[in-house]
Amino acid sequence: SAVISQKPSRDICQRGTSLTIQCQVDSQVTMMFWYRQQPGQSLTLIATANQGSEATYESGFVIDKFPISRPNLTFSTLTVSNMSPEDSSIYLCSVIAGEIYEQYFGPGTRLTVT
Amino acid sequence: KQEVTQIPAALSVPEGENLVLNCSFTDSAIYNLQWFRQDPGKGLTSLLLIQSSQREQTSGRLNASLDKSSGRSTLYIAASQPGDSATYLCAVRPRNDYKLSFGAGTTVTVRA
Repeated sequence: SAVISQKPSRDICQRGTSLTIQCQVDSQVTMMFWYRQQPGQSLTLIATANQGSEATYESGFVIDKFPISRPNLTFSTLTVSNMSPEDSSIYLCSVIAGEIYEQYFGPGTRLTVT
Repeated sequence: KQEVTQIPAALSVPEGENLVLNCSFTDSAIYNLQWFRQDPGKGLTSLLLIQSSQREQTSGRLNASLDKSSGRSTLYIAASQPGDSATYLCAVRPRNDYKLSFGAGTTVTVRA
C-alpha cells in the first residue's frame, strides 16, 4: 500500500496569484498523478509525473499553467499559476503501488480562488 | 475510449438496508477495476480492487463482483449504516494503459 500526504490541505487565494501543492508518499513509486475535481464533478487527470522526465499533460492542461516537479521517487509538486475562480477545485495527488497496480490517493488540497 | 457509467447517481436508504451500486464500462479489455469511497471535500479511499481474472472481492460488509464480458461491476454493502453515507466511485484500468477511467459516482445517503 501507499500513504500519501498533501500540503496545504486547503487554501483561499486571490486571482492572479500562484499556489504550489506538495505531495509526499511513504514509499518509492514510479508513477505519480495529479487530478483535479471541480465542484460536483468526477476526477480529471491533469498530468502524469515520472521521476527524471518531463511530466506528461492531458489534453486541455498545459505546463505553463500547471508546472510539475518530480525531484525523487517519493515527492512531487503541482503549481497552479495565474489563478482564476475557474481553478477552484480539489487537487489530488495519486500513485500506483504494488504488483496488482492498485491506485492510492492523497487527502486532497481544496483550493478556492476569489 | 473507455466510458464508465454509474447508476443511480444518487441513492437514499434507511439504515440497515442493503446497498447495490452499479458500474458499467464499454471496453472489456481491462486490467483491473477499483471501487473508491469519497467523503465530501476529501480524497479517495480505495475499498476494493478486482483483477480482470477475478469474479468478486470481499472486505467485511463490502462485496464487489465483476462480469467482464458484459462490462459490469456491482458493489454490495450489507446492512448499511449512516457512516456509509458518501460518494462511491468506480474506476477501470485498461490492459494497455496506466490511466484510470472514472465513473461519475453514486452519492449514497443512509438515513438513521
